[in-house]
Amino acid sequence: DTAVSQTPKYLVTQMGNDKSIKCEQNLGHDTMYWYKQDSKKFLKIMFSYNNKELIINETVPNRFSPKSPDKAHLNLHINSLELGDSAVYFCASSHVRDRSYNEQFFGPGTRLTVL
Amino acid sequence: AQSVTQLDSHVSVSEGTPVLLRCNYSSSYSPSLFWYVQHPNKGLQLLLKYTSAATLVKGINGFEAEFKKSETSFHLTKPSAHMSDAAEYFCVVRGPFSGGYNKLIFGAGTRLAVHP
Repeated sequence: DTAVSQTPKYLVTQMGNDKSIKCEQNLGHDTMYWYKQDSKKFLKIMFSYNNKELIINETVPNRFSPKSPDKAHLNLHINSLELGDSAVYFCASSHVRDRSYNEQFFGPGTRLTVL
Repeated sequence: AQSVTQLDSHVSVSEGTPVLLRCNYSSSYSPSLFWYVQHPNKGLQLLLKYTSAATLVKGINGFEAEFKKSETSFHLTKPSAHMSDAAEYFCVVRGPFSGGYNKLIFGAGTRLAVHP
């Protein structure tokens, strides 16, 4: 199926650990995003990459480092995890040709719990 | 600045009755507006979008929304609720042009509960 996929779906870890979340899209899109959804369901963009180039970088701690090996993949690495990092992280993708309305397709999310 | 306000955090309806989820927007230019739905433990799915064409926009699963510039509103409606409509709904506006691309700005969400 064509889709945006994320792994893992659930991630439980201790404070201070380093973890990564992977995202892949096979929609042929050239722009990918990471969003954070907090416990109140509020969604906020963190990063966006276009053709492996960082184009949006919101005010996110530098413990968060996105990496895009190619335009179909955007991984999120988090160093020194903190309790406040617990959230659901969504990956999304879109095609730059559609910038007029910027329709984005979302992955199923990764629920990160930091103990 | 662009923003959206979803006027109800929770809406509860009976199956078969109409659904109304309210959204007001603020935009310094002609907005692009979207409604996304998030079912429990699932990703977000686009329901419908307004991009300055017809003001009444039809989406999937029988939902529609009407863009009213005079009221700065983009309310989501459905004539008859189904149990499977129970989910979180997000009103979204296209944000400012940044780094060559437009960001999406999400509302706080409205949780729709549907009772038998």
